[in-house]
Parts: sequence; structure tokens; C-alpha cells
Amino acid sequence: SQTIHQWPATLVQPVGSPLSLECTVEGTSNPNLYWYRQAAGRGLQLLFYSVGIGQISSEVPQNLSASRPQDRQFILSSKKLLLSDSGFYLCAWGGDRDSKPRYNEQFFGPGTRLTVL
Amino acid sequence: TQLLEQSPQFLSIQEGENLTVYCNSSSVFSSLQWYRQEPGEGPVLLVTVVTGGEVKKLKRLTFQFGDARKDSSLHITAAQTGDTGLYLCAGGRDDYKLSFGAGTTVTVRA
Repeated sequence: SQTIHQWPATLVQPVGSPLSLECTVEGTSNPNLYWYRQAAGRGLQLLFYSVGIGQISSEVPQNLSASRPQDRQFILSSKKLLLSDSGFYLCAWGGDRDSKPRYNEQFFGPGTRLTVL
Repeated sequence: TQLLEQSPQFLSIQEGENLTVYCNSSSVFSSLQWYRQEPGEGPVLLVTVVTGGEVKKLKRLTFQFGDARKDSSLHITAAQTGDTGLYLCAGGRDDYKLSFGAGTTVTVRA
């Protein structure tokens, strides 16, 4: 069965510091990978998605960047955090490159709570 | 701009009562997913509907996809405290992406 991991689970960082959040998926090959941000008690905003190694699409211009150095690894980064970067960050996987995702279903990791002070 | 509008935003009911959450859009989707999320955790997929007019039942939960594939509803019968959570609908497009509603926070009181 497939599992998705995110770390760290929680992070408190000062404004202006760098950021690196990691997401890895097990039990599947060639997954589509996604980074979302969620405000408290609200819906999900898609930040980045990737359909393959080195292929990153950005949905929202912002202070963040993403990379996919390996097939099942997705990293969210920032060089200098802003207060507005605080939030709950979720990684998800769905389908794979070799077949259309089954009805766009996506499966989420446990999330990272980021607080920028 | 939310492509999917969920209503109500908040819902608080007594255990044993019924509830319905709505998800509406002016856009047509190829599929519609419902997720439930507990505080501090990632959303968990409950169901996927893909055919206009489709109805799916998952124990006490009934999901319906509108005939035009633009709207959906989630109905919970005899709600239990374990049904408490944030319910999110998401519309699937042909580009591997989902558009999420803003969510409905459901609180079931004992």
C-alpha cells in the first residue's frame, strides 16, 4: 500500500530564515506530487505540482519554490520566510505519469504546521 | 476566487440529527471528491463521484453528484460525535489538478 510522509510535523522559524519541507511517497512509482497551503479551518490552496522529476509547475507567485530531485521526493523551500508564509502545508500524491490519475484522486500526508515569528 | 462554493460554512448539531452540506459551482467537473479533515491532520478521501446524477452511500453518509456535474451534496444520517470535522469538496479537472471548496466545519454535540 502507498504511504506518504512529511517532515517536520511542526516548525517555528524567525522571519528572514530559510525553509525546507520534505515529502516522500512509498509504494507507488511516477506519482504526480502536489504542495498545498491551508489557512486555519479553510480550504486548500495549490502552490506547486509536479508530474515528473525536475518538472515543477507553480500556481501562485510567492516567496516559495519547489523541487523534485527524485521520483518520490518533493521539497518545498524558501530563502527568506515572511510572516505571511505561516500556515499548514500539505503534500499529496495522485496517479502517475503512465496513466491518467483515477478521477484526479489525491492522497494527503499528515502536514507540517509552520509558524513564522 | 473559489471555483467551488460550500455551504454552510459552519454547522453545529446534536448527536442523532441529520445534516446536509452543499458544494456548488458554475463549472463542470470530470469528478467530484469529498474529504474529511480532523484538526492537525491531512484530509482523508471519503468518496469520488464521476457520473451526473450518481448517488453513493458510505454507511450513514450519502453523496450525490448533480446531473450537470456542477454541484454535489453530502448528507449524514443520525450524526455521531465521530463525524465532527472539516468537510471539503474538490472538483477534478483534466489537468491532474483539484479545485477545493473553502470547507464546512461540522460539530456534532453529544
